[in-house]
Amino acid sequence: DVKVTQSSRYLVKRTGEKVFLECVQDMDHENMFWYRQDPGLGLRLIYFSYDVKMKEKGDIPEGYSVSREKKERFSLILESASTNQTSMYLCASPPGTGGPDTQYFGPGTRLTVL
Amino acid sequence: AQSVTQPDIHITVSEGASLELRCNYSYGATPYLFWYVQSPGQGLQLLLKYFSGDTLVQGIKGFEAEFKRSQSSFNLRKPSVHWSDAAEYFCAVAFKAAGNKLTFGGGTRVLVKP
Repeated sequence: DVKVTQSSRYLVKRTGEKVFLECVQDMDHENMFWYRQDPGLGLRLIYFSYDVKMKEKGDIPEGYSVSREKKERFSLILESASTNQTSMYLCASPPGTGGPDTQYFGPGTRLTVL
Repeated sequence: AQSVTQPDIHITVSEGASLELRCNYSYGATPYLFWYVQSPGQGLQLLLKYFSGDTLVQGIKGFEAEFKRSQSSFNLRKPSVHWSDAAEYFCAVAFKAAGNKLTFGGGTRVLVKP
């Protein structure tokens, strides 16, 4: 069965801290995505990656960076956390390399920045 | 830029009654359309998708959706709702011309009355 895991379900950090959110998929997929989910706004794409060491900005990349050193792992980094980054963060990975395909989502990390 | 609108933020329905969730998208090209469900405390799960062919698509859990190009809509329906259908539902769209990136609607939260 397809599996996408995220390192934490809940995380509380302080303003200015550097925050790492980890996502691991066991499906040998090339594509991985990071979204944030906010009430009324749905999911918004932060960054995505089509291959190891490859990254592309999504719709709201400001304040975030990513790292993909291994195929199975895609990390989202908040260089200096701010209160407006309090949100639910979802990692996803579709199987395809070409057209759109079903995204398999992790359970999410609810981040609170104080 | 592509956008997805789910006009209803909340819907309350009685158990056994029918349910219809609305979804409209903007953009000119042929869309790839998805409906995802997020149950409380769970990740997103794909209900159904439309890429081409028959405009009425069947999904899991007894859901179906109809693509109407003339109305730029992809409404989700279920003839008889079960208490376990209480969840948040997200419509999403991708366009080949936009690099197949998924854009999500703001979501509709469904409450089921006994």
